[in-house]
Amino acid sequence: GAVVSQHPSRVICKSGTSVKIECRSLDFQATTMFWYRQFPKQSLMLMATSNEGSKATYEQGVEKDKFLINHASLTLSTLTVTSAHPEDSSFYICSASGMGRGYTEAFFGQGTRLTVV
Amino acid sequence: AQTVTQSQPEMSVQEAETVTLSCTYDTSENNYYLFWYKQPPSRQMILVIRQEAYKQQNATENRFSVNFQKAAKSFSLKISDSQLGDTAMYFCAFTNTGNQFYFGTGTSLTVIP
Repeated sequence: GAVVSQHPSRVICKSGTSVKIECRSLDFQATTMFWYRQFPKQSLMLMATSNEGSKATYEQGVEKDKFLINHASLTLSTLTVTSAHPEDSSFYICSASGMGRGYTEAFFGQGTRLTVV
Repeated sequence: AQTVTQSQPEMSVQEAETVTLSCTYDTSENNYYLFWYKQPPSRQMILVIRQEAYKQQNATENRFSVNFQKAAKSFSLKISDSQLGDTAMYFCAFTNTGNQFYFGTGTSLTVIP
């Protein structure tokens, strides 16, 4: 099946610094990628949807200046958490929509555990 | 607007027994896709099973099967011969175009040895 690679899997950063998370579709072209935030024992909270070559669409309540999303190619999307603060500590997951095994499916990266100290 | 509801926050099942996880959804679309995803402690989301709305036959993948009731907008997951490795969060999901996916709140399943 299709593979989405997300890294880093874990990152610890100091408060006030920025962190970049990469999401790559390794064997298919992902025209649409999604970024989620997940709190413990909870569902996925959609942060934004990005389409290759265009600006990301952010969900209500998500600060676009804080969570910068770039989808420069059909295989790469990045999420940059700018001026990170402890409340940004969370688990972030990317997903790419593609035609896997002949049908529409969401493929997920491994997730990134961000800890801001 | 599309919504997905999972009414069972937590469930447990004895090893080797069968368990059914519930999911209902709301949509005005006629063509769409439904999924069950598993998220084990590693937190990697794994596709368990998929159903196209236009197919009347319920999808089956080894020990996993669904009961898809389109009129009732119900999409339950049955796990047979439960194994310890089935312990995970299970999310029901919906999409019609692939441009947006809607997830339920999840069911935490524990398989008891």
